[in-house]
Amino acid sequence: LAKTTQPISMDSYEGQEVNITCSHNNIATNDYITWYQQFPSQGPRFIIQGYKTKVTNEVASLFIPADRKSSTLSLPRVSLSDTAVYYCLVGGNTGFQKLVFGTGTRLLVSP
Amino acid sequence: DTGVSQDPRHKITKRGQNVTFRCDPISEHNRLYWYRQTLGQGPEFLTYFQNEAQLEKSRLLSDRFSAERPKGSFSTLEIQRTEQGDSAMYLCASSHPTVYEQYFGPGTRLTVT
Repeated sequence: LAKTTQPISMDSYEGQEVNITCSHNNIATNDYITWYQQFPSQGPRFIIQGYKTKVTNEVASLFIPADRKSSTLSLPRVSLSDTAVYYCLVGGNTGFQKLVFGTGTRLLVSP
Repeated sequence: DTGVSQDPRHKITKRGQNVTFRCDPISEHNRLYWYRQTLGQGPEFLTYFQNEAQLEKSRLLSDRFSAERPKGSFSTLEIQRTEQGDSAMYLCASSHPTVYEQYFGPGTRLTVT
């Protein structure tokens, strides 16, 4: 599975847009990009998944350039409750997939 | 659908004791996964079941670890002769056969003293 690199931490204020970028230079042709969110003392929670261009759901947007060597998770108008660790993962999206988590990005949202 | 549940949520044990954790996946999910997470790190894959069959085990899973999923429903993870290095959060996840997304339980936090 492709290795990912993302910032260790980010700080933001309530109401701002937050963009977290992930590098995955060795992504394979059939790999998808997935983001999970984890609050303290809870298991990770699926946020969004994409293959190319842009994907949007009720929580976030995922931007993937044409070369797919990086991706950006965009959280619009963050609130204090968005303070969490965000993980970027790459891998296939069918069948058995053992998720390979890195150390993630710790996002701290302040008032 | 009440989500993935794990029991107990916390376990404190003395070194050398055996411990067993239980995971109840979402009912229609036939895939079940165990992960381990230490402080400041992302979860690490331990093992995977499809129905009752254990299809893959990580090299992280030493001989002291054993997992079962009888009848393809709930799963148990047992650690024998616990060591201080076993202290971690043990996470269970399940997924539907046609969907990539894994749903995680709240985890069991193990502390070995």
